Amino acid sequence: AQKVTQAQTEISVVEKEDVTLDCVYETRDTTYYLFWYKQPPSGELVFLIRRNSFDEQNEISGRYSWNFQKSTSSFNFTITASQVVDSAVYFCALSGENNRKLIWGLGTSLAVNP
Amino acid sequence: NAGVTQTPKFQVLKTGQSMTLQCAQDMNHEYMSWYRQDPGMGLRLIHYSVGAGITDQGEVPNGYNVSRSTTEDFPLRLLSAAPSQTSVYFCASSYWPSTPDTQYFGPGTRLTVL
Repeated sequence: AQKVTQAQTEISVVEKEDVTLDCVYETRDTTYYLFWYKQPPSGELVFLIRRNSFDEQNEISGRYSWNFQKSTSSFNFTITASQVVDSAVYFCALSGENNRKLIWGLGTSLAVNP
Repeated sequence: NAGVTQTPKFQVLKTGQSMTLQCAQDMNHEYMSWYRQDPGMGLRLIHYSVGAGITDQGEVPNGYNVSRSTTEDFPLRLLSAAPSQTSVYFCASSYWPSTPDTQYFGPGTRLTVL
């Protein structure tokens, strides 16, 4: 069975701090895909990144970076120099290669305080 | 492109009433899905479709019907609303059929059943 665990339910930081959101997944598929989505207070779901299991290179996009480690089944998300606008719920999700269903973590609520 | 649109944005129903949540996309995506989001439960898949005329059940299909007569539209029908169906409903779409691709979400419908 596939599963995504986001152990951190809520995180609170002060602006400009770095913060890492953890995502641990379980799957027996050799090919799979991992995603991160952001849900700001306005409620919409915003796509952040998609990675496949064969690409273990870390990804950096501005202040955002992702660390994919197959050895520990983790796909962690780091925000550098956090800003108030980063306050949101962040979801990690997993899909197998031939799986028509996306498996979601329960999300981590991040509050960035001024 | 309008992307994924959902109507209505808000709806209040009485127990036993029926209604249809509308979802449309203009990206020519084959894959469309419906999720519900409840506090502490994350996103749960209700139904999905991989093309016109093809639908399948997700994790929590009871009490909901779907049909897919066109590529663009994927309505969700509540047959007899119950208070347990109070939730925020999201529609999503993506490319298909080979690799699980990024799902793009509509703005959501907030449904309250009294």
